[in-house]
Amino acid sequence: AQTVTQSQPEMSVQEAETVTLSCTYDTSENNYYLFWYKQPPSRQMILVIRQEAYKQQNATENRFSVNFQKAAKSFSLKISDSQLGDTAMYFCALGEGAQKLVFGQGTRLTINP
Amino acid sequence: EAGVAQSPRYKIIEKRQSVAFWCNPISGHATLYWYQQILGQGPKLLIQFQNNGVVDDSQLPKDRFSAERLKGVDSTLKIQPAKLEDSAVYLCASRAVRGTRTEAFFGQGTRLTVV
Repeated sequence: AQTVTQSQPEMSVQEAETVTLSCTYDTSENNYYLFWYKQPPSRQMILVIRQEAYKQQNATENRFSVNFQKAAKSFSLKISDSQLGDTAMYFCALGEGAQKLVFGQGTRLTINP
Repeated sequence: EAGVAQSPRYKIIEKRQSVAFWCNPISGHATLYWYQQILGQGPKLLIQFQNNGVVDDSQLPKDRFSAERLKGVDSTLKIQPAKLEDSAVYLCASRAVRGTRTEAFFGQGTRLTVV
């Protein structure tokens, strides 16, 4: 069965600092995708970054990057130069092809001015 | 492209009443999900459709919840009768089966309060 675990319920950093959110997962598949979603108070889930499991290179999107360790089944999100607008819930998610998309419990990130 | 549309945005009902939520996915997306998100928790999958067929409904409380996806496009999720513990945000998402955009796109959700 697919599982996703986020062990940090809450994190708080100062503006402009770098923060890393942790995620571990379990799957028996070889082909899968990993995602980080952001959910601001408006509650709409927004994709931050995605990683295909077959790619060795870590994905990057501007200030957001991941550290994908396939053997360890770890998928952390690094936010550089954090901004006040980054304050939100962050969810790690695992998807397998056209099959179900499983989410972790989330990390509440607060960026302080 | 137009996003995933959900309605209503908010709903307050009394326990034992019934309620229905509607979702219009992104055009061409074969996969449609309904998630329940209780405050402070991650989304929990209720049901997944592939076109108009059910792929996974293992966590759907079938004694009170039902869902359908007519013609493989719009979907409705119904709760009858509602319980206090059904208070949550109900999220609809859609996803393309093929192509490079593998992520799910979400609607704004419906916040249900059962009193």
